[in-house]
Amino acid sequence: SQELEQSPQSLIVQEGKNLTINCTSSKTLYGLYWYKQKYGEGLIFLMMLQKGGEEKSHEKITAKLDEKKQQSSLHITASQPSHAGIYLCGADMAAGNKLTFGGGTRVLVKP
Amino acid sequence: ETGVTQTPRHLVMGMTNKKSLKCEQHLGHNAMYWYKQSAKKPLELMFVYNFKEQTENNSVPSRFSPECPNSSHLFLHLHTLQPEDSALYLCASSQAGLGEAQYFGPGTRLLVL
Repeated sequence: SQELEQSPQSLIVQEGKNLTINCTSSKTLYGLYWYKQKYGEGLIFLMMLQKGGEEKSHEKITAKLDEKKQQSSLHITASQPSHAGIYLCGADMAAGNKLTFGGGTRVLVKP
Repeated sequence: ETGVTQTPRHLVMGMTNKKSLKCEQHLGHNAMYWYKQSAKKPLELMFVYNFKEQTENNSVPSRFSPECPNSSHLFLHLHTLQPEDSALYLCASSQAGLGEAQYFGPGTRLLVL
């Protein structure tokens, strides 16, 4: 099994609907990073969470880190076609600058 | 534009060829990374450089040879690759240290025939 599990692996949502992606580890995370990737392209940094219970928002995207620092969620409100892509969570598990990534969640927004 | 550029964007090479991937960052960062992204596998860290010194080699085969001549440039030299090495190779940079976000380049799509 992977050190960092993402769920679901893929989802299709109707435009205007909300969606949530989860990222879970069995270990305490020193930092949790969310990225978005268009197919075959590089990763775009979205948000970073470090403190237990921390929550950050940017436009219609909200990310949370639980108090135990083992689980994070990414929530998109009123999804739009521009939200389509692959969302990846990356985590610092060893208090350094090495990131371990989840398998990614492929999001498709139907107009 | 993330401030990290990679060339070439696409590369096809035979198993006996030697080629190099180039990465350049314009963000003033002092840590650089190579990652490999294969189909149906999570993004895998290959190498880490902090202040031009290699601090991580994640059990990468010797047919991949990194080079970091300065904090802004990173190379990945390739020789006698195998078809299973076909993947998207991503470069990233960050400030060295804890809690620093990594910024990625667009990647080089490599096909080994």
